[in-house]
Amino acid sequence: QVQLQESGPGLVKPSETLSLTCSVSDYSLSSGYCWGWIRQPPGKGLEWIGSVYHSGSTYYNPSLKSRVTISMDTSKNQLSLKLTSVTAADTAVYFCARHVVVVAAFDYWGQGILVPVSS
Amino acid sequence: QSVLTQPPSVSGAPGQRVTISCTGSSSNIGAGYDVHWYQQLPGTAPKLLIYSSFHRPSGVPDRLSGSKSGTSASLAITGLQAEDEADYYCQSFDSSLSGSVFGGGTKLTVL
Repeated sequence: QVQLQESGPGLVKPSETLSLTCSVSDYSLSSGYCWGWIRQPPGKGLEWIGSVYHSGSTYYNPSLKSRVTISMDTSKNQLSLKLTSVTAADTAVYFCARHVVVVAAFDYWGQGILVPVSS
Repeated sequence: QSVLTQPPSVSGAPGQRVTISCTGSSSNIGAGYDVHWYQQLPGTAPKLLIYSSFHRPSGVPDRLSGSKSGTSASLAITGLQAEDEADYYCQSFDSSLSGSVFGGGTKLTVL
């Protein structure tokens, strides 16, 4: 059973960079699949942020593309998300998840991590 | 404004059947891309209910079913139970955005 666990700071200040890590267990990132980040502002719906293939190819939400970098560290079996120049609008629960290919469903999800953006 | 449109809320009495619609366009559902459905209980991660428009992962009861036609898709739940009360989201791929898109979500209330 693939397990994903998000980790990162409990608070980020406006204009700073939000950095999150997703640790994956019971599956090697280098073996394949596509890995993504999704966020959910409090009381609102889901928003896809972007995804990365095991090959390193990335797909980003056009509305966030200029501020987002998603990468993977296969030696640590971790996925990372960096979002620059954050504002209060970036306050959300951030989930990491797996999908077979970028058009496929997300079949395994992390529990999510709430990241408030506030001074 | 979500790329995929869902009704904000639906409701039904225990035992009844409800459907949740997901309307897209020619660049996503209408282009032939699959639709996937998730259930989200408060404070938890979404759970995959239906993938590739029709298929249920292991453990999802067969009283849940998915369908797709043209630029729309639907999730049907029969024999409604109190435990079905949750938020439901559809997801697909959009070729003009080159990425995944979600519906705005539908809150299901069991009366």
